[in-house]
Amino acid sequence: DSGVTQTPKHLITATGQRVTLRCSPRSGDLSVYWYQQSLDQGLQFLIQYYNGEERAKGNILERFSAQQFPDLHSELNLSSLELGDSALYFCASSPGFSTGELFFGEGSRLTVL
Amino acid sequence: AQKVTQAQTEISVVEKEDVTLDCVYETRDTTYYLFWYKQPPSGELVFLIRRNSFDEQNEISGRYSWNFQKSTSSFNFTITASQVVDSAVYFCALSEMMGANFGNEKLTFGTGTRLTIIP
Repeated sequence: DSGVTQTPKHLITATGQRVTLRCSPRSGDLSVYWYQQSLDQGLQFLIQYYNGEERAKGNILERFSAQQFPDLHSELNLSSLELGDSALYFCASSPGFSTGELFFGEGSRLTVL
Repeated sequence: AQKVTQAQTEISVVEKEDVTLDCVYETRDTTYYLFWYKQPPSGELVFLIRRNSFDEQNEISGRYSWNFQKSTSSFNFTITASQVVDSAVYFCALSEMMGANFGNEKLTFGTGTRLTIIP
């Protein structure tokens, strides 16, 4: 158990809909990262937050947005969903001291029909 | 740009055989970290090892060992006496140090190697 909690574990929705994925980092970790794992793109970095502020952006679509709240949990919002958004979305956290290690949650599997 | 190449897409070996998973990386950074993660069929990503760019010592942990060679930009992973429980997808990853002191561990992952251990 990494200590990172993601909900929901599974989500099935239709094209055009909007969903929110939630992540609670390990206790004390200040950084939260979102990754997308799809069959054709592999594991792709989406976005990072550190102590509530956006720190880095990767291959995140404009239809996607994220935020980190004062209690350090984070949400990834996916809107106008397309079939190609079906993927496993991972959240990871780190202490924020350049330890070089990310602790991953179990992922949220999104299926868009 | 950083890049991690895992040329072996799939490997199958018979239980108790040794197996080596290859990882080659590209980076312009002088300071970086390399990682291996395991993704079992259940889907979670399990951290196996971290190695920083200044430490080229090989590491052994039980049946697992890692060979880091900076001269060839490789960070290979060997499982000795493989077991069925080792069946998983293994990812090599490289961290990009995006700034000092702020835990900017953005990881660039390879495409993974699916390892199947045949009983």
